[in-house]
Amino acid sequence: KQEVTQIPAALSVPEGENLVLNCSFTDSAIYNLQWFRQDPGKGLTSLLLIQSSQREQTSGRLNASLDKSSGRSTLYIAASQPGDSATYLCAVVGGSARQLTFGSGTQLTVLP
Amino acid sequence: DGGITQSPKYLFRKEGQNVTLSCEQNLNHDAMYWYRQDPGQGLRLIYYSQIVNDFQKGDIAEGYSVSREKKESFPLTVTSAQKNPTAFYLCASSISPGLTETQYFGPGTRLLVL
Repeated sequence: KQEVTQIPAALSVPEGENLVLNCSFTDSAIYNLQWFRQDPGKGLTSLLLIQSSQREQTSGRLNASLDKSSGRSTLYIAASQPGDSATYLCAVVGGSARQLTFGSGTQLTVLP
Repeated sequence: DGGITQSPKYLFRKEGQNVTLSCEQNLNHDAMYWYRQDPGQGLRLIYYSQIVNDFQKGDIAEGYSVSREKKESFPLTVTSAQKNPTAFYLCASSISPGLTETQYFGPGTRLLVL
């Protein structure tokens, strides 16, 4: 059964710092990997989707990479801002039912 | 304005009571999903529907039921058989059921037990 792990569970950084969030998954037979943002008490907002054939995707200050063979993905946030404070979740799509399996998230706090 | 709406924002359930959470989308998406989120944890799939009048159990379907009579609506009923219903419930939809596209999420309903 697919398991998705995100480390660290929480991270605090000063404003302006570049940072990396990590995601690992146990079954490399995935269709795609997605990164989501969740603000407290709110739903999820999709940030980036990487298809299994791709190595990375970029959107503004965000860059996500995918290494299927090692079962790892990273989300790079450049020049962090207090508005980036949120929980970041990664999720993979795989298996015959093509279900989305989520990690437990990294709670990011960017200090002004 | 296209999107997914969930109501109510907060819902209180008494012992032995069934409650229904509403999810509506006007994105013309074929697939819809219900997830449960517990504090400090990721989302777990309860039920999903790839097309009208069809739905499948997810990983934690016990104690829940759904219907998909209309394309735009996918209500979730939390039955009295669900012994630990307190959680944040999220509804999502995607253009097609293949999950190659991203899912769009509603704002969530927080269910509390009195």
